[in-house]
Amino acid sequence: QKEVEQNSGPLSVPEGAIASLNCTYSDRVSQSFFWYRQYSGKSPELIMSIYSNGDKEDGRFTAQLNKASQYVSLLIRDSQPSDSATYLCAVNGDYKLSFGAGTTVTVRA
Amino acid sequence: ETGVTQTPRHLVMGMTNKKSLKCEQHLGHNAMYWYKQSAKKPLELMFVYNFKEQTENNSVPSRFSPECPNSSHLFLHLHTLQPEDSALYLCASSQDGPQDLRGYTFGSGTRLTVV
Repeated sequence: QKEVEQNSGPLSVPEGAIASLNCTYSDRVSQSFFWYRQYSGKSPELIMSIYSNGDKEDGRFTAQLNKASQYVSLLIRDSQPSDSATYLCAVNGDYKLSFGAGTTVTVRA
Repeated sequence: ETGVTQTPRHLVMGMTNKKSLKCEQHLGHNAMYWYKQSAKKPLELMFVYNFKEQTENNSVPSRFSPECPNSSHLFLHLHTLQPEDSALYLCASSQDGPQDLRGYTFGSGTRLTVV
């Protein structure tokens, strides 16, 4: 079983819509969770972190965490063409940061 | 310079060559990492250094040899690589070790092609 799983996409959304990205993880003792954005040919950039069950909002981004279901998600509201990128879910457990393969998002103008 | 700097940005090497990747962080962080990123695959953790001490070697073949002379610099020495080693190699750092709640900061990566 993969440690961190994401739908690879591509996820295509119209400009102004909500993009919803999902991630599940296998390590029940994981305590911290991150979303990174990676533009093509660039390095991953941290955009959100979440540690407690519930929602965390930062601008147009909302991270949601459900530890009982081992599920973390990212919502991007009012999607813009500049949001087109690959979004990596990362989970900190067992003294290392493990990543999913990423979900590619394309925002159509 | 600020952040995490990696050199070179691109590297093409033959299977018999020896080369080194360099990473330098200007953030005052105490932990540094090497990750391998191949197309359509998750980032693979290769090595972890915490306060200059190697704390993780994730079953990496011996043709990859890390070196961490101080908490700001990290090298990855390469020799007799295989074509399947072609990938983006990313260096990252964090303030308080692998469990840092603030996550890791990544460098721009070295795109390695083995011919």
